[in-house]
Amino acid sequence: AQSVAQPEDQVNVAEGNPLTVKCTYSVSGNPYLFWYVQYPNRGLQFLLKYITGDNLVKGSYGFEAEFNKSQTSFHLKKPSALVSDSALYFCAVTLRSGATNKLIFGTGTLLAVQP
Amino acid sequence: SQTIHQWPATLVQPVGSPLSLECTVEGTSNPNLYWYRQAAGRGLQLLFYSVGIGQISSEVPQNLSASRPQDRQFILSSKKLLLSDSGFYLCAWSVTDGGPYEQYFGPGTRLTVT
Repeated sequence: AQSVAQPEDQVNVAEGNPLTVKCTYSVSGNPYLFWYVQYPNRGLQFLLKYITGDNLVKGSYGFEAEFNKSQTSFHLKKPSALVSDSALYFCAVTLRSGATNKLIFGTGTLLAVQP
Repeated sequence: SQTIHQWPATLVQPVGSPLSLECTVEGTSNPNLYWYRQAAGRGLQLLFYSVGIGQISSEVPQNLSASRPQDRQFILSSKKLLLSDSGFYLCAWSVTDGGPYEQYFGPGTRLTVT
């Protein structure tokens, strides 16, 4: 069965420092991987995705993520955190087949950036 | 460009009352449509998805139902609300040709059942 794990409920980082939000996945085939961000009382916003090719994916707002097949991970990173990056972040996975595009979401990681 | 709308934005309903939440998508044709519920501000639970008009798949047995009367309209309903139906309801869409592709989410409806 497909699953996604976000091992940290919360990540605290000082403004200007690099940030990492961790995600590991378990699927029986080759995955498509996604990161979303959610601000309070808002819908989820798409940040970036890995489909194939370069393992380092760049997305919106300066975020990037690195796909590591051997470690089955897809960690979200940003070189310099902003207070405005404080939000709830979700990792998601789907298989490379299937017309319904169903996503399996992690439980979310709350990112808190202190000024 | 594509836009997804949900209404109402917030709703307070008594236990036992009916429910109707609406989601519409603009700027695309024949999208896949999804309903999620987010409880306690965290985990997302997929409730229903639809690959076309009148085609609804349910992910979990529950007090809710969904319908897709038009290509870009997705409705979430209940005949009698339970306290446990409270939560943040999110609608999403994705393209259908090829894929899988990312899903795009609406602004959500905050439902409180009292």
